[in-house]
Amino acid sequence: GQSLEQPSEVTAVEGAIVQINCTYQTSGFYGLSWYQQHDGGAPTFLSYNALDGLEETGRFSSFLSRSDSYGYLLLQELQMKDSASYFCAVRRGDKIIFGKGTRLHILP
Amino acid sequence: GAVVSQHPSRVICKSGTSVKIECRSLDFQATTMFWYRQFPKQSLMLMATSNEGSKATYEQGVEKDKFLINHASLTLSTLTVTSAHPEDSSFYICSAREDFGAEQYFGPGTRLTVT
Repeated sequence: GQSLEQPSEVTAVEGAIVQINCTYQTSGFYGLSWYQQHDGGAPTFLSYNALDGLEETGRFSSFLSRSDSYGYLLLQELQMKDSASYFCAVRRGDKIIFGKGTRLHILP
Repeated sequence: GAVVSQHPSRVICKSGTSVKIECRSLDFQATTMFWYRQFPKQSLMLMATSNEGSKATYEQGVEKDKFLINHASLTLSTLTVTSAHPEDSSFYICSAREDFGAEQYFGPGTRLTVT
């Protein structure tokens, strides 16, 4: 089977930095993805890590440690529009298995 | 980037009726499409994988006779919820990809409400 663990909620202040952690247990691991989903919308792809290390895309960065079965999403210079749910997801072959999601609340 | 559409975006139906949801890849040929279901404030749960021209593969616990999936062309997959019940009310999202291991692109979702 597989499981992904991430915090259910995180609160941060506008302009700050926040890190959302994800640990996973799965067989046949290909890589770790992160998705953003606003209320009522579909998930949008943020990043994908297949190898260990940090991937940076603008204000968002994602990290993976395959040996620790751990990854995180780092959001910098938080903006109010970043208030959303963030899902880590593992790729197993052709399938994407989503974590339960972290609700990010941003305070002005 | 690649675009996936879904139709309808919202549907309300009465208990016992069937509802069809379409998923289309607009600018690429999707050899495989995926169907997810998401209940409020919960994660996306993969329901089934459909490959063009063949039968869908359902995840454990998903009733294949209730959720009929057809992938008749490289740009269209349909999900039919048969004999819908209020507990089938959910957000149904499809995704599509061109080749094995390629990025999946998600549709905007369909909000189904069964009364």
